[in-house]
Amino acid sequence: NAGVTQTPKFRVLKTGQSMTLLCAQDMNHEYMYWYRQDPGMGLRLIHYSVGEGTTAKGEVPDGYNVSRLKKQNFLLGLESAAPSQTSVYFCASSYSLGSYNEQFFGPGTRLTVL
Amino acid sequence: GQQVMQIPQYQHVQEGEDFTTYCNSSTTLSNIQWYKQRPGGHPVFLIQLVKSGEVKKQKRLTFQFGEAKKNSSLHITATQTTDVGTYFCGFSGSRLTFGEGTQLTVNP
Repeated sequence: NAGVTQTPKFRVLKTGQSMTLLCAQDMNHEYMYWYRQDPGMGLRLIHYSVGEGTTAKGEVPDGYNVSRLKKQNFLLGLESAAPSQTSVYFCASSYSLGSYNEQFFGPGTRLTVL
Repeated sequence: GQQVMQIPQYQHVQEGEDFTTYCNSSTTLSNIQWYKQRPGGHPVFLIQLVKSGEVKKQKRLTFQFGEAKKNSSLHITATQTTDVGTYFCGFSGSRLTFGEGTQLTVNP
């Protein structure tokens, strides 16, 4: 099993450009999440999904959109990139939101917006 | 909403010294999870605690959940260079909320 994979691993954008980050998991998990990590600020939840076809806003959703058309995939879109979106983006998945919901993280995407 | 505060933010130790990081909340938590992130890597789940006063051990790591379920700690005995990384606590409600992490460096 590959676990959670993310593409691309690195990307440089110019301000105003758009892009989509792809997350895929092969563990049949219902729940998927997108986080961003900035120095000294820990992990902040952008959007999450509790199942195929569902999405919900997290802590810092502005400037991002997501889609979960297939259970195994969770896409994060930036419509008009800004320098403030320079960050490392992690996707994660979990079996449930219940009492035991270990999150499995992907390797991350390092995004720079110039 | 609920938040957790982690202290210290940074900790530098000599190899062989002990290390402790604390996770504190102003409200009662249903559970606490701990993750480790190596430099340049991604967070990896270590453990979950759910019971008041619970103590769990993994080799040199000891995890505790407070009696009031408002705080938790991770203690590493006799640190090694392989312990380097950032340790995060988190709790799950409708979603997992993380503390800001404690970055541990170990001098050989």
